[in-house]
Amino acid sequence: DTGVSQNPRHKITKRGQNVTFRCDPISEHNRLYWYRQTLGQGPEFLTYFQNEAQLEKSRLLSDRFSAERPKGSFSTLEIQRTEQGDSAMYLCASSLLQNTEAFFGQGTRLTVV
Amino acid sequence: AQTVTQSQPEMSVQEAETVTLSCTYDTSENNYYLFWYKQPPSRQMILVIRQEAYKQQNATENRFSVNFQKAAKSFSLKISDSQLGDTAMYFCALHYNNNDMRFGAGTRLTVKP
Repeated sequence: DTGVSQNPRHKITKRGQNVTFRCDPISEHNRLYWYRQTLGQGPEFLTYFQNEAQLEKSRLLSDRFSAERPKGSFSTLEIQRTEQGDSAMYLCASSLLQNTEAFFGQGTRLTVV
Repeated sequence: AQTVTQSQPEMSVQEAETVTLSCTYDTSENNYYLFWYKQPPSRQMILVIRQEAYKQQNATENRFSVNFQKAAKSFSLKISDSQLGDTAMYFCALHYNNNDMRFGAGTRLTVKP
């Protein structure tokens, strides 16, 4: 297993466009997390899944953001009508059981111009 | 609400010397986990060390050790024999039960030759 994989690594989009990111967790990991990180800050929690169920969403996650994890495998994070304030690194992490180590992907850097 | 505070935005240490990074947190839970993550310039987060709150013994991983003071809600990281490869952002994180992992704002550590 090669760890948590995120695609694309970089995305530049025009304001108002929709973007979708993908995260492939470590196989058999039942928890999957999405975080947003801006330069010089710690990751901010967005949402997490246990298997295919989305158990919690942060208030940071506006209606323009949606995440899915069909069949409890990979996950997608979609941002509709992107704004410049959405520019950030989007991190995905997975873990096998709650409260154990979360393994992070390398992130997707989004730039909205 | 869970909060994690890292009061040292930046620190530096000479190679081979020892440095301590501070972290305080707030939670009303009794059972939780604390983590220190390292994020090198490549930006992939890597777990450095983990502490279960129910364990009184401080965790140690080679050159990395923690000073866990549960009553004071303090969780500092000590790096001994600092190496150039230790240069990175270090994040303290708190996780419990069916909840997300909360991160501090991070401490940028520079190891000087």
